[in-house]
Amino acid sequence: DAKTTQPNSMESNEEEPVHLPCNHSTISGTDYIHWYRQLPSQGPEYVIHGLTSNVNNRMASLAIAEDRKSSTLILHRATLRDAAVYYCILRKNTNAGKSTFGDGTTLTVKP
Amino acid sequence: NAGVMQNPRHLVRRRGQEARLRCSPMKGHSHVYWYRQLPEEGLKFMVYLQKENIIDESGMPKERFSAEFPKEGPSILRIQQVVRGDSAAYFCASSPFLGDTEAFFGQGTRLTVV
Repeated sequence: DAKTTQPNSMESNEEEPVHLPCNHSTISGTDYIHWYRQLPSQGPEYVIHGLTSNVNNRMASLAIAEDRKSSTLILHRATLRDAAVYYCILRKNTNAGKSTFGDGTTLTVKP
Repeated sequence: NAGVMQNPRHLVRRRGQEARLRCSPMKGHSHVYWYRQLPEEGLKFMVYLQKENIIDESGMPKERFSAEFPKEGPSILRIQQVVRGDSAAYFCASSPFLGDTEAFFGQGTRLTVV
């Protein structure tokens, strides 16, 4: 499975945008880029996913580099409830749930 | 539409006992996945099941662990003769079909072996 690399931790101030980077230099053409987040003592929660084009939904935006070797999850206005571990995952569309979770990025949001 | 339901939320077992973890997928979902999360670590894939079939068990330990997803009822992850190293959070996820879709996770079962 292609691997992803994320910073261990990031900090943000409340109400400010947050850009969470992910490197996936060995991504293959059939890999989708998925983001999940895990709040303390909870199961992972789907955030967003994409293949080549940038994506927006009510939770976040996903910016995918033209060569697909990196992507950025954008939270437009961080809230205290966004404090979580964010996982960037590569997954083939032939297997919706089998994913390799790395260590993720722990996001701290300061009031 | 209820989410993925796991029970129990917390389970304490003595070494050598059996642990049974249950997962009811979301309505209409026929694909179930089990993950294990050791303390301070990320999630590790264990097994992928469809109704009555194990599709991929490449992440399952070779001994003491088994999983099933019967035609009726929840998926069960069974751990026989538990050891302290089995203490972890076990998460179940479900999806409606293969392809470009997300998987929905339950709240997990936290197993403590004493």
